[in-house]
Amino acid sequence: DTAVSQTPKYLVTQMGNDKSIKCEQNLGHDTMYWYKQDSKKFLKIMFSYNNKELIINETVPNRFSPKSPDKAHLNLHINSLELGDSAVYFCASSPAGDDTEAFFGQGTRLTVV
Amino acid sequence: GESVGLHLPTLSVQEGDNSIINCAYSNSASDYFIWYKQESGKGPQFIIDIRSNMDKRQGQRVTVLLNKTVKHLSLQIAATQPGDSAVYFCAENHSSYKLIFGSGTRLLVRP
Repeated sequence: DTAVSQTPKYLVTQMGNDKSIKCEQNLGHDTMYWYKQDSKKFLKIMFSYNNKELIINETVPNRFSPKSPDKAHLNLHINSLELGDSAVYFCASSPAGDDTEAFFGQGTRLTVV
Repeated sequence: GESVGLHLPTLSVQEGDNSIINCAYSNSASDYFIWYKQESGKGPQFIIDIRSNMDKRQGQRVTVLLNKTVKHLSLQIAATQPGDSAVYFCAENHSSYKLIFGSGTRLLVRP
């Protein structure tokens, strides 16, 4: 069983389109995240949610709107896609509390053309 | 600002040798650190962690060292194997909801 699963794995779309990436975790964790990994492999946090509530928004453009229908799901919707949005997006989850590791999904490679 | 950085972007080692990957962090308030391994096409995978009240922790073939005086973290891999080839990240967690990653080091294992 996949612990953190994201769909789709690959996404190719044109500039200006709107797209969504879905994420689900079956670990029973309270906290979920979205990270963006650029072409130089740098991983940067975008959002974190705890029990469906937004905790951190790392100055991400408001074209990016996360949604957490329940604590096992955290979806990412992106409006008006731009070339610079091309990256690999990772969903992750962790138990609540300090000093806990995050478990990552396999990533969604988004290419905007 | 917060930052976690690595000294070497690429490390090439002979199979069977030991590998040492270094990381510098800037936030002295950080109290928990994690090393992740990322293989091609996959998400980061947990390797080992260490809390700020420790200076050394050992796992299977891996050891993490923490030097809080100079804000330095290292990952030692013993008897490096081809399967160890990957990008390694250190990460810093000083709040419950935010894991800050370093820039990564690519480890290449020569047969």
